[in-house]
Amino acid sequence: DTAVSQTPKYLVTQMGNDKSIKCEQNLGHDTMYWYKQDSKKFLKIMFSYNNKELIINETVPNRFSPKSPDKAHLNLHINSLELGDSAVYFCASSPFVTSTDTQYFGPGTRLTVL
Amino acid sequence: AQSVTQLGSHVSVSEGALVLLRCNYSSSVPPYLFWYVQYPNQGLQLLLKYTSAATLVKGINGFEAEFKKSETSFHLTKPSAHMSDAAEYFCAVNRAGGTSYGKLTFGQGTILTVHP
Repeated sequence: DTAVSQTPKYLVTQMGNDKSIKCEQNLGHDTMYWYKQDSKKFLKIMFSYNNKELIINETVPNRFSPKSPDKAHLNLHINSLELGDSAVYFCASSPFVTSTDTQYFGPGTRLTVL
Repeated sequence: AQSVTQLGSHVSVSEGALVLLRCNYSSSVPPYLFWYVQYPNQGLQLLLKYTSAATLVKGINGFEAEFKKSETSFHLTKPSAHMSDAAEYFCAVNRAGGTSYGKLTFGQGTILTVHP
């Protein structure tokens, strides 16, 4: 059983389109995250949800809208895609929001905007 | 504010040789420190973490790291490299206490290559 899963694994789309990435965790964790890894492999947090409540929003453009329908799911919707949005997006989860918690990462979604 | 610097974007070793990946941190409060590994086309996996208990931390696959406050370092080592260790390694920092909400700050990564 995959602990943190993401769909799709690859996403190729045109500039200006709207797309969504889905994430599910079956670990029973309270907290979920979205990270963006750019072409230089730099990994930066975008959002974090704890029990469906947004707790971290790292000044990400409004075109990015996360949604957490329940504790096990965190989706990322992106409007009006731009070339600079091309990256690998990772979902992660942790038991709680404490600083010592291990974060468990999904396999990533590689988004390519043409 | 907190940050992590990984010295050397690429490290190459021979199989059986010592692996040393360097990480220095900056944090205004006591830090918690993590090493993650990323194999090609996969997500990140925790190797080990320092959470203010023992300063020498042992992790999976024979890796260990030592927290040195005086040097603000948390270098990752393994006595004998194996071909399967080839991957990218990320050091990360989180602040102890406060309202960090699990906000990890990652270094830029070090690619480890292991030669036969």
